[in-house]
Amino acid sequence: EAQVTQNPRYLITVTGKKLTVTCSQNMNHEYMSWYRQDPGLGLRQIYYSMNVEVTDKGDVPEGYKVSRKEKRNFPLILESPSPNQTSLYFCASGLVGSDEKLFFGSGTQLSVL
Amino acid sequence: KQEVTQIPAALSVPEGENLVLNCSFTDSAIYNLQWFRQDPGKGLTSLLLIQSSQREQTSGRLNASLDKSSGRSTLYIAASQPGDSATYLCAEFSGAGSYQLTFGKGTKLSVIP
Repeated sequence: EAQVTQNPRYLITVTGKKLTVTCSQNMNHEYMSWYRQDPGLGLRQIYYSMNVEVTDKGDVPEGYKVSRKEKRNFPLILESPSPNQTSLYFCASGLVGSDEKLFFGSGTQLSVL
Repeated sequence: KQEVTQIPAALSVPEGENLVLNCSFTDSAIYNLQWFRQDPGKGLTSLLLIQSSQREQTSGRLNASLDKSSGRSTLYIAASQPGDSATYLCAEFSGAGSYQLTFGKGTKLSVIP
């Protein structure tokens, strides 16, 4: 089954404790990206990647890191989380140059205390 | 910075009614535009994707149109059903070397039986 898998589904942590949210896709997609969704602000893009070792900033990259060492994986790293990073996070993947329909993961609800 | 606007923020209609959801965007170099559906507590599902060279796309009871010159897209839902109740988001995908995705804040649709 074609899917984008995010883990964990829920995460509660404390300020400053490094964390990683994983994202994996099984569709051989070149494009992967991370978004955060906040009430009243909608979905905003954090980072995206066009292929292995190619990443670029979205609208709200501050406080986040990503890496794309393999085509299928695109982890989101918060090295020193702060309460303003409490949000619902989504990972997505898609093809480039043809049908760019995006596939989304189920989301990760992060709370930083 | 590109902007995508969806009006209204919420819409309630009786079952069986045809309806139109609106999306406007500022990016004159839009690469494509997608319509998504989001159910509470879940990820996004891509409904329709319209390339910048296309005028419309259809899938079942859904029809999406794109007018680049006016910066508008519409999603037409025919013969609405209670199962159509969800939040509908549009997102424009910029090309020209910057594959950023900008979302509108969505229209929350309620179809009343």
